[in-house]
Amino acid sequence: ETGVTQTPRHLVMGMTNKKSLKCEQHLGHNAMYWYKQSAKKPLELMFVYNFKEQTENNSVPSRFSPECPNSSHLFLHLHTLQPEDSALYLCASSQDAGRDSPLHFGNGTRLTVT
Amino acid sequence: GENVEQHPSTLSVQEGDSAVIKCTYSDSASNYFPWYKQELGKGPQLIIDIRSNVGEKKDQRIAVTLNKTAKHFSLHITETQPEDSAVYFCAAASSGTASKLTFGTGTRLQVTL
Repeated sequence: ETGVTQTPRHLVMGMTNKKSLKCEQHLGHNAMYWYKQSAKKPLELMFVYNFKEQTENNSVPSRFSPECPNSSHLFLHLHTLQPEDSALYLCASSQDAGRDSPLHFGNGTRLTVT
Repeated sequence: GENVEQHPSTLSVQEGDSAVIKCTYSDSASNYFPWYKQELGKGPQLIIDIRSNVGEKKDQRIAVTLNKTAKHFSLHITETQPEDSAVYFCAAASSGTASKLTFGTGTRLQVTL
């Protein structure tokens, strides 16, 4: 177990649907991240929350909406997605986004947009 | 911004042989270099990291070397085993900016019997 749990593991949604991805960390960390992983491309940072405050929004389209109610939980709300948004979405946590503390990743949600 | 290039994209070695994966980076301010291993169906897991104040770090069969002058760093796996088969990612960041890690495109390592 990585200490970072993501649900669901797989998600298929139509372009008009609204769904949410959930991430929970049990490591006592203060920073949480969303990454997008597509084939043959580097991991793309989407959002960073440090002590519940959003500190990074890496020019992500507004159809992706993050929510961080506390340091242990992170959500990614999805609506009106495009087929090119199909990817593995990874959640990660670290002790503090402003330090060199290692990232701990969850096992991801495999999203397919039809 | 930082740019990290990783080679090769795929690597096949026989069990017991060594494997070397190389990365180059562009930002001379980068001084934190982690390596992640991603097994099928799982997220990336940190296996080793190095900071720019050292040139080499070892952990059992895994070692990382850093050449700051040439801006490249490498992962060395000795006595490879089938369970080493995975995708390996290098990354680079400036100190205190773990949220700004730039990742390479990954190397798929296959260890054959």
